[in-house]
Amino acid sequence: DQQVKQNSPSLSVQEGRISILNCDYTNSMFDYFLWYKKYPAEGPTFLISISSIKDKNEDGRFTVFLNKSAKHLSLHIVPSQPGDSAVYFCAASAQSSGDKLTFGTGTRLAVRP
Amino acid sequence: GAVVSQHPSRVICKSGTSVKIECRSLDFQATTMFWYRQFPKKSLMLMATSNEGSKATYEQGVEKDKFLINHASLTLSTLTVTSAHPEDSSFYICSAEQGADQPQHFGDGTRLSIL
Repeated sequence: DQQVKQNSPSLSVQEGRISILNCDYTNSMFDYFLWYKKYPAEGPTFLISISSIKDKNEDGRFTVFLNKSAKHLSLHIVPSQPGDSAVYFCAASAQSSGDKLTFGTGTRLAVRP
Repeated sequence: GAVVSQHPSRVICKSGTSVKIECRSLDFQATTMFWYRQFPKKSLMLMATSNEGSKATYEQGVEKDKFLINHASLTLSTLTVTSAHPEDSSFYICSAEQGADQPQHFGDGTRLSIL
């Protein structure tokens, strides 16, 4: 049973436009959410996170929005760059430390020049 | 920033061989390290959680006698795949947790190929 879902396996965006990656979760105990970026043959690298006490967190071109009532979060990348092309994993944790991460299956983002 | 080093990056060996993979946190002390296995087109599967100085906690379905995990210090955890077989071929990734309210930092992974 997939507790963290990324329903779009792939996304293609024009360079300079906004990329929006979505993630849904079912476990109401999750209170910490993260986005990871993964290039081929490499491990995922942390990108941005958000605690459930917030509904928005911004870091440069990356913004994560959390809608707790809908159990939905999204990652916005603006403006998108070709170097952003990678697989993005959404992950969730029931506590901010010491608990395993439950990952989504990833969304492959392709940014077209 | 925090860096986690995983070694080796690639291993090719014969069936029946035991393979050890190291995971090191280079500039922080990791109280907890995690080992993941990645399957093609699927997300990471957590295999076990490793706390320094104590036995690893294995996820359901993961054979603890086959995948030996040792977390000898706050900067090093090892995963040993004992008597590896072709079905063990996969991409193994470790991650380390720096502390409270900190995300997990991942190693670059080890691609294990058993012939």
